[in-house]
Amino acid sequence: DTGVSQDPRHKITKRGQNVTFRCDPISEHNRLYWYRQTLGQGPEFLTYFQNEAQLEKSRLLSDRFSAERPKGSFSTLEIQRTEQGDSAMYLCASSGGGDFQPQHFGDGTRLSIL
Amino acid sequence: AQSVAQPEDQVNVAEGNPLTVKCTYSVSGNPYLFWYVQYPNRGLQFLLKYITGDNLVKGSYGFEAEFNKSQTSFHLKKPSALVSDSALYFCAVRDMNSGYSTLTFGKGTMLLVSP
Repeated sequence: DTGVSQDPRHKITKRGQNVTFRCDPISEHNRLYWYRQTLGQGPEFLTYFQNEAQLEKSRLLSDRFSAERPKGSFSTLEIQRTEQGDSAMYLCASSGGGDFQPQHFGDGTRLSIL
Repeated sequence: AQSVAQPEDQVNVAEGNPLTVKCTYSVSGNPYLFWYVQYPNRGLQFLLKYITGDNLVKGSYGFEAEFNKSQTSFHLKKPSALVSDSALYFCAVRDMNSGYSTLTFGKGTMLLVSP
């Protein structure tokens, strides 16, 4: 169990650029989640995959955001045409087994928009 | 809709004293409750969960939480605080009857344990 891995840890970009983050879940986990966390707030749910299927999406996930999980392994989260308000920590979590297993979080990708 | 309230932004306690971090929740069905801890620039670490059964749940690092259905609360407790317990604590809830897998988190409570 090597834990959930996220890359990069930090990303600084100019407004209007596209960014992509990667998440590698714990290998045997079939469920994968993306959250966004801003300063002074708890994580806010963005989207959820079970294997390769994207089953739930938050209304927070605007058209500029897209997530994929090809082959049910790693996942990517892309933000197009970044805006100042996208500055946040983006957290990935995974869980395995049934409905009642806890989510295990990665250390996140901190996005800063200049 | 499901929601969580953590009424205290910060809790201060002296090392060796008992600590309590408060959490109340709102769900339309049965709650599935968690506590997580976050250290600076790190992700969240799972501490404990409540599904059903005994109202007192024991978790990692000596933490426990008490589920109170009538007060819709799930307070985190530890009998004797350590300086190393200083961190940001999050309570989270999922409505087991909603059909959704998502967790809703509170805003977090900063715990500061003084030597």
